[in-house]
Amino acid sequence: AQTVTQSQPEMSVQEAETVTLSCTYDTSESDYYLFWYKQPPSRQMILVIRQEAYKQQNATENRFSVNFQKAAKSFSLKISDSQLGDAAMYFCAYSLGAGSYQLTFGKGTKLSVIP
Amino acid sequence: KAGVTQTPRYLIKTRGQQVTLSCSPISGHRSVSWYQQTPGQGLQFLFEYFSETQRNKGNFPGRFSGRQFSNSRSEMNVSTLELGDSALYLCASSLWGGAGNSPLHFGNGTRLTVT
Repeated sequence: AQTVTQSQPEMSVQEAETVTLSCTYDTSESDYYLFWYKQPPSRQMILVIRQEAYKQQNATENRFSVNFQKAAKSFSLKISDSQLGDAAMYFCAYSLGAGSYQLTFGKGTKLSVIP
Repeated sequence: KAGVTQTPRYLIKTRGQQVTLSCSPISGHRSVSWYQQTPGQGLQFLFEYFSETQRNKGNFPGRFSGRQFSNSRSEMNVSTLELGDSALYLCASSLWGGAGNSPLHFGNGTRLTVT
């Protein structure tokens, strides 16, 4: 079974600084997707970024980027120029290749942004 | 375009009762997934429906069931409620399922408390 591990239950960052959230996963598959979701106090899960395992290039979305190390099964999220609105729970998630109908989530990292 | 709508937002039930939660997906989305979120177990996949058919089910007892209607709206039902069923229940919709190439859009969830 696939597992996703987030080893940092809580992290904090100064506003305008950069922070990196860690995620490792375990799978024997070669075709899969990885995601970072953000869950603010409103409870709605919001997709931050998505990475396809067969793509070497790391995904980026504005201030958010990932460091995808396939051999090491590592998928970290870097948030640059942190803003107060970035404060939330961040979940790393895994899905098998196209046609898979479920996500496997990590336990999450609570990010605080200090003004 | 309206997002995923879950009703009710909060629910309090007594052990042994049953409960029905509702989810209206984004217009045009045909896949609906349900997840249970608890502090201890994190986010766990319950089931996924597409065109009124359940395509995948997580590791939950038979007390948890769901269905999808022809307009893609979905309901999940929990019978004989137990204290451990207290959780945030999240619904997510996507165009055709397959979290990889058809990103999930989540609702704000229903907070169920069992007393």
